[in-house]
Amino acid sequence: GAGVSQTPSNKVTEKGKYVELRCDPISGHTALYWYRQSLGQGPEFLIYFQGTGAADDSGLPNDRFFAVRPEGSVSTLKIQRTERGDSAVYLCASSRGTKYTGELFFGEGSRLTVL
Amino acid sequence: KNQVEQSPQSLIILEGKNCTLQCNYTVSPFSNLRWYKQDTGRGPVSLTIMTFSENTKSNGRYTATLDADTKQSSLHITASQLSDSASYICVVREDMEYGNKLVFGAGTILRVKS
Repeated sequence: GAGVSQTPSNKVTEKGKYVELRCDPISGHTALYWYRQSLGQGPEFLIYFQGTGAADDSGLPNDRFFAVRPEGSVSTLKIQRTERGDSAVYLCASSRGTKYTGELFFGEGSRLTVL
Repeated sequence: KNQVEQSPQSLIILEGKNCTLQCNYTVSPFSNLRWYKQDTGRGPVSLTIMTFSENTKSNGRYTATLDADTKQSSLHITASQLSDSASYICVVREDMEYGNKLVFGAGTILRVKS
């Protein structure tokens, strides 16, 4: 596609529920990143995919968070037993290539609100 | 610990005025530094990239500088416009073969008023 697409743009859920956030990267971009951004803060790294595999998942805060990218394109970030502290904007970004020199292209983000 | 510190935290200027945003980092080894602009409710968009050998780079009214010795970068905005109102994020990439090593600053929130 023309840009990184994220859905839903807004998600309101209740504490304890399960949530899935989807990211459709730019066509041909092999690298995909998930970030979490709280108000007034810079993006916080969650996980990085190179192709289908999670090359670096060191940013996932705990085992309630999980992400997949089964075919090396679309990725889904999954959050189990959501907590109010999970409320944030979840940003997805993609870039070309395998090295870390490329520009990241960000989606508009998915705003998650946990009540 | 690799860190990126930005200042000021927020800034209000009049339309047409210039401003300079600062970024200090401790990331090592250094690969490159990018300035991103993030409009409210949108994802960040890259403005410019600075590599080790570059001191100054311009992109329209935006001019970025890099001093790799002191580990400082600045973003200068000339003749500001209302549309420059946004968060400006400094992102430093650590030079590593594998593993994601992007370190984000917290951003400077710029408001340009008429």
